[in-house]
Amino acid sequence: AQSVTQLGSHVSVSEGALVLLRCNYSSSVPPYLFWYVQYPNQGLQLLLKYTTGATLVKGINGFEAEFKKSETSFHLTKPSAHMSDAAEYFCAVSSDTGRRALTFGSGTRLQVQP
Amino acid sequence: DAGVTQSPTHLIKTRGQQVTLRCSPKSGHDTVSWYQQALGQGPQFIFQYYEEEERQRGNFPDRFSGHQFPNYSSELNVNALLLGDSALYLCASSRGGGSYNEQFFGPGTRLTVL
Repeated sequence: AQSVTQLGSHVSVSEGALVLLRCNYSSSVPPYLFWYVQYPNQGLQLLLKYTTGATLVKGINGFEAEFKKSETSFHLTKPSAHMSDAAEYFCAVSSDTGRRALTFGSGTRLQVQP
Repeated sequence: DAGVTQSPTHLIKTRGQQVTLRCSPKSGHDTVSWYQQALGQGPQFIFQYYEEEERQRGNFPDRFSGHQFPNYSSELNVNALLLGDSALYLCASSRGGGSYNEQFFGPGTRLTVL
């Protein structure tokens, strides 16, 4: 069984400050890990993914995440927040078996203060 | 190139009724997955269709059923609606095959059960 825990349902940062959204996962098999962003009244957009290879993954809009197997973590960061980053962020895990259904965390709402 | 499309955008039903939601995958995609996103929560996997068959299913009752057509489009049917079925229903499409392929999400159908 797989699960995802996102620490902090709400995170507020100032514009230009570091963004850090936390994600820990549980998986009995090597995981594939993802971060998605959801803007109001829209579907999910993939920010970045880790499947194999380099553990530091760069995504769109300046976001990156590092896979740390020893800590079972996949935290999302961005050096400098922009107002347009305000949205809901979801961490998700799937396995390299089966047809790879995604298991999502409960989400973190990011607010960016001017 | 059109992305994943879903219809209708919004739907209001009463308890006990039946509902059908529709999804057209992104061009070139042959796999469709359905997710339920309750208010304030992350999406939960319902089931996945590939080659017109249900390949994987999440923890949802038999009231939830689906279908995939030869053109890869898909329907989600929910019978005997309950108040708790009120949610955003997301469709995601991907390419099948042996390696991971990104799931692209549609904008969703918001179902309200009164």
